[in-house]
Amino acid sequence: GQQLNQSPQSMFIQEGEDVSMNCTSSSIFNTWLWYKQDPGEGPVLLIALYKAGELTSNGRLTAQFGITRKDSFLNISASIPSDVGIYFCAGPPRSQGNLIFGKGTKLSVKP
Amino acid sequence: DGGITQSPKYLFRKEGQNVTLSCEQNLNHDAMYWYRQDPGQGLRLIYYSQIVNDFQKGDIAEGYSVSREKKESFPLTVTSAQKNPTAFYLCASSTGTVEANQPQHFGDGTRLSIL
Repeated sequence: GQQLNQSPQSMFIQEGEDVSMNCTSSSIFNTWLWYKQDPGEGPVLLIALYKAGELTSNGRLTAQFGITRKDSFLNISASIPSDVGIYFCAGPPRSQGNLIFGKGTKLSVKP
Repeated sequence: DGGITQSPKYLFRKEGQNVTLSCEQNLNHDAMYWYRQDPGQGLRLIYYSQIVNDFQKGDIAEGYSVSREKKESFPLTVTSAQKNPTAFYLCASSTGTVEANQPQHFGDGTRLSIL
């Protein structure tokens, strides 16, 4: 089946550093969603992108919908300890009606 | 407060037993979904329902069953036919379907383990 390739798989950073992660697909997406999941909890929606080239911010988070419609990026500026968690990208490829998820980027922040 | 409630938080099943996971939402959302999450993996869709009394299989429906008798409720039954049921199960809902670009919102999950 179709897959989202999310990278990196994990990141270990120092508090205050900026973080960048990305998601790519072999098929075109109309929507890109970014979620964060804390241990033992459900994912929480961070940012939704609906238009190619769109750049959207949510506090220290910024996400972009790639021009090719096959990728998206999430950046976190000035990381803090509470940014720790797993970040997932998700979207509905045009050939399918359902949402598919990447395998996640696990972020660890050292104080 | 509005939201999605999953219960129980932890569930244990004996071999050969069916178990039912509850998912209730008071967001007045039309669409509801069940996902399975295994360690180090993304979420995989089990079943989804776009409207009451209708539901469709997702990518890994074998060994599971659902019902959608009420708009606010979408219970998932893990049957004895599911040979590897140990996982974290997540329920989600949205105002519309994925095709309508409506993001899904998630409950806090149920962790199912085999005794």
